[in-house]
Amino acid sequence: AQKITQTQPGMFVQEKEAVTLDCTYDTSDQSYGLFWYKQPSSGEMIFLIYQGSYDEQNATEGRYSLNFQKARKSANLVISASQLGDSAMYFCAMREGHRGGGFKTIFGAGTRLFVKA
Amino acid sequence: DSGVTQTPKHLITATGQRVTLRCSPRSGDLSVYWYQQSLDQGLQFLIQYYNGEERAKGNILERFSAQQFPDLHSELNLSSLELGDSALYFCASSGGASGATKNIQYFGAGTRLSVL
Repeated sequence: AQKITQTQPGMFVQEKEAVTLDCTYDTSDQSYGLFWYKQPSSGEMIFLIYQGSYDEQNATEGRYSLNFQKARKSANLVISASQLGDSAMYFCAMREGHRGGGFKTIFGAGTRLFVKA
Repeated sequence: DSGVTQTPKHLITATGQRVTLRCSPRSGDLSVYWYQQSLDQGLQFLIQYYNGEERAKGNILERFSAQQFPDLHSELNLSSLELGDSALYFCASSGGASGATKNIQYFGAGTRLSVL
């Protein structure tokens, strides 16, 4: 069965330093997609980065990069040069094909990141 | 602004009642997804519609139903409400772009439902 595991409930990072948020997944499908979303205290879900299972290059979006290790089934998010505004909850998610022709997406429990000045 | 519009932002109602949550997807997106976020269950996928047709179903209760209309907006109907239905309900949309970006789900701001 699909499963997303985020083992770090909370993390602290010093401003301007890099931080890695861990995510492992479990699926028997060959075709799937992996996402990271940010949820600040205001509650909205902000898309950060996407990696397709067939993408050979790691995805990057500005200060965000996804360290995709397919054999290990891990999709860690790396945030470089942390900013105070990065303090938020971060969710890893996986999208898998569904028998109805659509897509089911499951989310991990999230990691709360605190950026210290 | 994600381009996905959800109304209302807040909803307070009583147990046993029925409510309707509305979602307008981003321009050009054909897929709409509904999610429930609660403290004890986390973010749960409920259902997906594509161009008016149901395409995937997750942990959606039988008391809940959804539909997507010809203009692509979607509604989530919650009936016989219970205290445990109190949660943040998100709508997301995707599919309007080409290539890998068509897979990206953009979320609305959510509807916070409080059942008293």
